[in-house]
Amino acid sequence: SQKIEQNSEALNIQEGKTATLTCNYTNYSPAYLQWYRQDPGRGPVFLLLIRENEKEKRKERLKVTFDTTLKQSLFHITASQPADSATYLCALRGAGSYQLTFGKGTKLSVIP
Amino acid sequence: DTAVSQTPKYLVTQMGNDKSIKCEQNLGHDTMYWYKQDSKKFLKIMFSYNNKELIINETVPNRFSPKSPDKAHLNLHINSLELGDSAVYFCASSQVKRQGGEQFFGPGTRLTVL
Repeated sequence: SQKIEQNSEALNIQEGKTATLTCNYTNYSPAYLQWYRQDPGRGPVFLLLIRENEKEKRKERLKVTFDTTLKQSLFHITASQPADSATYLCALRGAGSYQLTFGKGTKLSVIP
Repeated sequence: DTAVSQTPKYLVTQMGNDKSIKCEQNLGHDTMYWYKQDSKKFLKIMFSYNNKELIINETVPNRFSPKSPDKAHLNLHINSLELGDSAVYFCASSQVKRQGGEQFFGPGTRLTVL
């Protein structure tokens, strides 16, 4: 069965450092991989999308990589700030599919 | 101008009651979804409608019935509520084919069954 693993339930880093979150998947060939941010008491908010034929995507301090051979995506936040503290969710979608399958998320805490 | 809105935000009710949650999106999207997020924060798809047609219907008790009166609205009715139904329910919308299928979520409805 399809499986998505975000390998850390929680990650603590010092302000100013780069946070790196990992998303691994098995039994899946996603056409799209997405990252969302969720703050307590709120709905997830879309951050970045990367397609299967793309290696890397950037948006301001965010960078996502997608390695279909390793079946892995890395999500980086450079120069992290306390305001980046949130839960980050990885989500996969197959080509032509309406369905997004979410990982369980990684709770990031940026310590001042 | 909220993109995806849900009502109510909080719902506290007794076991056995019937309740409804409403969702509206003003983004012009053609696809809407209901998700359940349990106490362990896992976000699980329940239903999806595309242009008022049910396209995703995951293994969910028959007590849950979605209804989409038009493309901008998706409601969720729950009969005979049980303790295990307590969770946060999120509505979302997307325009799958034109864009990358990124989803826009509502603020959630926290359902507590006593």
